[in-house]
Amino acid sequence: DVKVTQSSRYLVKRTGEKVFLECVQDMDHENMFWYRQDPGLGLRLIYFSYDVKMKEKGDIPEGYSVSREKKERFSLILESASTNQTSMYLCASSSTAPKAFFGQGTRLTVV
Amino acid sequence: AQSVTQLGSHVSVSEGALVLLRCNYSSSVPPYLFWYVQYPNQGLQLLLKYTTGATLVKGINGFEAEFKKSETSFHLTKPSAHMSDAAEYFCAVTSGTYKYIFGTGTRLKVLA
Repeated sequence: DVKVTQSSRYLVKRTGEKVFLECVQDMDHENMFWYRQDPGLGLRLIYFSYDVKMKEKGDIPEGYSVSREKKERFSLILESASTNQTSMYLCASSSTAPKAFFGQGTRLTVV
Repeated sequence: AQSVTQLGSHVSVSEGALVLLRCNYSSSVPPYLFWYVQYPNQGLQLLLKYTTGATLVKGINGFEAEFKKSETSFHLTKPSAHMSDAAEYFCAVTSGTYKYIFGTGTRLKVLA
């Protein structure tokens, strides 16, 4: 089975810190995604990547950036964390077949 | 553009009763449709998907969904609810490329 691993389940960071969320997939998938999940809002796409070093903005990219230097790894970066970025972050990957696999999520709290 | 609407943010059913979670979509191209389930503090797990072919799709844990193009719907059903079905359920659509659009989710509560 495909495994998508997010480096942390829970994180607490201070306002203004630079935060890195890491995601690794083990199935050689071309596509990787970062979503943010908030109650009542569902999942909103922050960024996605369809190849190494390629990225596209999703619906809510402001305040975030991403990096994909290797095919299996997709990092989400909060340049200067703010309290309104407190949320659950979900990473996903997919091949050319329409089926996305999700990691366990990282619950980030910014204080 | 594609979108998904899930009717009812919270649904309660008695154990053994029918589960019906509603999903309507909008898509200008033939859609691929999905239902995912999320247990507390977990990621999303695929329940079932519709790509092409048979419009009645069977998934894991006894769930199924029917793609109705004329109604732009993809409702999720299960004949008999179990306590372990309590979770949040998300409907999603994609045109098959990169972007998956999710609904806002329906939290299912199963009453003993």
